Order: sequence, then C-alpha cells, then structure tokens
Amino acid sequence: GAGVSQSPRYKVAKRGQDVALRCDPISGHVSLFWYQQALGQGPEFLTYFQNEAQLDKSGLPSDRFFAERPEGSVSTLKIQRTQQEDSAVYLCASSYRQGAPYGYTFGSGTRLTVV
Amino acid sequence: GQQLNQSPQSMFIQEGEDVSMNCTSSSIFNTWLWYKQDPGEGPVLLIALYKAGELTSNGRLTAQFGITRKDSFLNISASIPSDVGIYFCAGQNYGGSQGNLIFGKGTKLSVKP
Repeated sequence: GAGVSQSPRYKVAKRGQDVALRCDPISGHVSLFWYQQALGQGPEFLTYFQNEAQLDKSGLPSDRFFAERPEGSVSTLKIQRTQQEDSAVYLCASSYRQGAPYGYTFGSGTRLTVV
Repeated sequence: GQQLNQSPQSMFIQEGEDVSMNCTSSSIFNTWLWYKQDPGEGPVLLIALYKAGELTSNGRLTAQFGITRKDSFLNISASIPSDVGIYFCAGQNYGGSQGNLIFGKGTKLSVKP
C-alpha cells in the first residue's frame, strides 16, 4: 500500500485480556519498528525487525509483550494479560533499507485503552 | 526509557510569527530528525540532518545539527495556522542492527487566543 497501515485504530481491553495489534508496512520495506507513545510523551522504541528477524527487542517493557513478523512483511505486536499501564498509542514504522540513516514512515497507530 | 530534552514544552503562535525550538542530548547521534504529529496520526518527517554543523531548510522550516552532535534546533518562519501540532526531535545512530530513534517529549504549538 501507499503507507503503513495499522489495525485496529482503537482497542479497548479489559484488564487481564490479551490483545494483538497488526502492522502492514509499505511493500518491500525491510526494516520494521514498533514504538509505544504514552499520553503527552514522545514515542519510545519497543522492538526492531529486519525482514523476519527480530534483531532488537530491548525496548519491550516486560515478557507480556511479544512481537513477530513471520514472513518479513506483516507484523503483530501481542500483549498478554494487559495492565492499565499498557494504555498508550502503539506506532509501527517501516523503512526500505536496513539501518538506514533516514527517518522512517510511521503508521497512524493503535490507541489501546485498558480498563 | 531515554528521551531527549526538548524545549519549550509548549508555545502559542500568532500567524506570521517566527518560532524556535531546540533539543539536547547527553549522548551523540549520527542523525537528527524533526517530526510533526497531528492528533490521531503518526509522526511525519519534516527534516533530516546527517552532518554535524549542517543547516538544512525545507520551505519555511530550518534546522541545524549542532557541532557537538548533542543538540539540534528547528525554526519555523512566518507561521501559519496549519503549523499547529506537536513537534518532536529524534536522534538516531544507524548501521548494523541499530537504527531506532530516540525522541524528545515534544513541543506543542497552539494558536494564541
């Protein structure tokens, strides 16, 4: 597609529920990133894929967070047993080059609210 | 997680005014980037800077990469209503398996009442 597509746009989850957030990067983009943006803050890095390989997951806040990109295109961020502190906008970004010295193209994000 | 020091946190603009904001870091970066984020949208890249000392313009926007590689500023000249939004600086060290962005907390531009 023309841009990075994320779904759903909004998700309300009850505390303890599992959620899955989807990212469709721009076709052919090698690099894919997930960021978490809390209210009133800048985005914070969660994890990075180069094709299907997850090369950096140092930003994942706990083992309840899991990301995958099995075929090197679509990626899913899964959060198990959601907590209120997980409420945030989750942004996906992609780039056509590995470690490119460019900014990345961001999607519009998924706003997760845990109640 | 690490976030860059961005100032001011917020400011009000009147159409036609010039606006300036800056960003500092305790560590050096290879690249500095400036993004704008509108409500309900992801950040959109405005300017990318690749060399220490570099001054780059994009229309009414001008940004500089500090010579110490630890700071950057963004100027907006002759502001217009559509400049309203949140501006983020971001530092990046690329190469190998790296490349993630470290963001500031943002500068919110609003219209003067």
